[in-house]
Amino acid sequence: GENVEQHPSTLSVQEGDSAVIKCTYSDSASNYFPWYKQELGKGPQLIIDIRSNVGEKKDQRIAVTLNKTAKHFSLHITETQPEDSAVYFCAASLNDMRFGAGTRLTVKP
Amino acid sequence: GAGVSQSPSNKVTEKGKDVELRCDPISGHTALYWYRQSLGQGLEFLIYFQGNSAPDKSGLPSDRFSAERTGGSVSTLTIQRTQQEDSAVYLCASSLRGGEKEKLFFGSGTQLSVL
Repeated sequence: GENVEQHPSTLSVQEGDSAVIKCTYSDSASNYFPWYKQELGKGPQLIIDIRSNVGEKKDQRIAVTLNKTAKHFSLHITETQPEDSAVYFCAASLNDMRFGAGTRLTVKP
Repeated sequence: GAGVSQSPSNKVTEKGKDVELRCDPISGHTALYWYRQSLGQGLEFLIYFQGNSAPDKSGLPSDRFSAERTGGSVSTLTIQRTQQEDSAVYLCASSLRGGEKEKLFFGSGTQLSVL
């Protein structure tokens, strides 16, 4: 099955700085790559996703890039705010959904 | 109440007892997933149901774990003879199938504590 690796496991940035989280996947047939944000005590929620026929997608302060050849995809958060502090998960999907181990992002005011 | 509902929200049990965790997916969603999240860890895939197809059980950690989905809707995850290492948050998610429909909607989870 699909194997997703995510780095870093923890990330601390100053408010206003950018944050980048990177993931790799193993199955070249995977075609859908979502990112989820999990706040304390809650289930993960989808924040942005990208499909295999697209290289980049933006939604306000967040963007995702996909390199299918290298089987890499990344989440970019610009102008970080304290409310961005959470655990972020990447995932890759073909027939089911497999997640990375998560990145705990802390944005310091 | 359009979201994924899980019950109970918290469950404390003694080692060796059986537990049942329930998931009510969003109405009309044909896909249902169970994941396990140990303290500070990622989402460990357990099992996946899609419509009437045979479930993908490849993530179940041992034969003490089983799950069923009745009538293509409600799902129950059963853990027999619980062990302390089973303590975790068990998350359920549902989705429609295909295209934009692959977005997962998660419940708030069941926090299982095995004493």
